[in-house]
Amino acid sequence: LAKTTQPISMDSYEGQEVNITCSHNNIATNDYITWYQQFPSQGPRFIIQGYKTKVTNEVASLFIPADRKSSTLSLPRVSLSDTAVYYCLVGDLPLNTGFQKLVFGTGTRLLVSP
Amino acid sequence: DAGVIQSPRHEVTEMGQEVTLRCKPISGHDYLFWYRQTMMRGLELLIYFNNNVPIDDSGMPEDRFSAKMPNASFSTLKIQPSEPRDSAVYFCASTPRQGVIYGYTFGSGTRLTVV
Repeated sequence: LAKTTQPISMDSYEGQEVNITCSHNNIATNDYITWYQQFPSQGPRFIIQGYKTKVTNEVASLFIPADRKSSTLSLPRVSLSDTAVYYCLVGDLPLNTGFQKLVFGTGTRLLVSP
Repeated sequence: DAGVIQSPRHEVTEMGQEVTLRCKPISGHDYLFWYRQTMMRGLELLIYFNNNVPIDDSGMPEDRFSAKMPNASFSTLKIQPSEPRDSAVYFCASTPRQGVIYGYTFGSGTRLTVV
């Protein structure tokens, strides 16, 4: 799996848009970018995944530039309940190369205040 | 589907005792994973199974740790004897098939405290 780098922590206020950027300089052609969210006392939860350009779902948007060496998770109008750790992971569907284990980095700890 | 189910949610035990953590994956998911999470080391993959067969246990810290998956709907992680440094939250996760793109579903975890 490609190594990823994210900020350790971020602070925001309710109603603001939060953008968390992940760097993955050695991303491979077949790699997808996946983000997980982990609330306190819960397991990580898959929130969004993309390969290029932009992906949007009911939770977040994911922006991926043309060179794919970074990606940005965007949370619109955050609320207190968005306080969590956000993990960026990069990996692909293995082509007869064996199973790719999901390896989590340290993630970004987002704190949303009133 | 009820998701990945882990039990117990909390476990407090004395050093030297045997601890068994349990996991029921989502039906139809061929892969099952055990993770451990601590403040110092974050989320660590301990072992994973494919179709009930252990594939990679390189993350298991010591021989005191063992994991089994006797059937597609049940797995255990055992620590014998337990030590205070084993205190952590242990997560079980499952996924339907190979590849990061399929996403993992995690259970709520078991918080283990060894005193």
